[in-house]
Amino acid sequence: EPEVTQTPSHQVTQMGQEVILRCVPISNHLYFYWYRQILGQKVEFLVSFYNNEISEKSEIFDDQFSVERPDGSNFTLKIRSTKLEDSAMYFCASSDNLGRNEKLFFGSGTQLSVL
Amino acid sequence: GDSVTQMEGPVTLSEEAFLTINCTYTATGYPSLFWYVQYPGEGLQLLLKATKADDKGSNKGFEATYRKETTSFHLEKGSVQVSDSAVYFCALLTGANSKLTFGKGITLSVRP
Repeated sequence: EPEVTQTPSHQVTQMGQEVILRCVPISNHLYFYWYRQILGQKVEFLVSFYNNEISEKSEIFDDQFSVERPDGSNFTLKIRSTKLEDSAMYFCASSDNLGRNEKLFFGSGTQLSVL
Repeated sequence: GDSVTQMEGPVTLSEEAFLTINCTYTATGYPSLFWYVQYPGEGLQLLLKATKADDKGSNKGFEATYRKETTSFHLEKGSVQVSDSAVYFCALLTGANSKLTFGKGITLSVRP
């Protein structure tokens, strides 16, 4: 089965530094997402992306966050100035349709640790 | 707003035991309901889903029935295997909203 690939699997950074989390969605998918899970808490929606623009974002996705699809294959999440509370597992996902029949394919996640 | 509540974990069972993982939800409208599973070192994978009341989703011996009257979608398996050890997430999707709302997840460990 096709899969979503995320790199790196672990990222350690100092508070205030910029990080870029990378994802390669499934090649024919059109809808892209980032979710995150802080340790012991729920998986939370961050942002959805379609047709080269953000279609929806959560309250968590403030001005420190941005997403980009720089080429035909990658989908990145950038955190400009990391905070301790950004430490979490970040999941990328992609889908080829929306709504009730939607099936999201998730990557294995990037564990971000902010020190 | 929409929310999903899962029973507290972790859960440890012996092989061939019966499994129930509870999930209840609060949502506006008529959500689709999902169970996702995350095996060690892998991404979240869709395990099963149900899109309307009384539907039963099933896959790999797991089942869950969409109960509108109790707003529940409990996951069951009659006989668990060691290979079922993973983290299980209940989730919902409402209407045309592409945003999944997840529960906290629960870790299942199955002993040989």
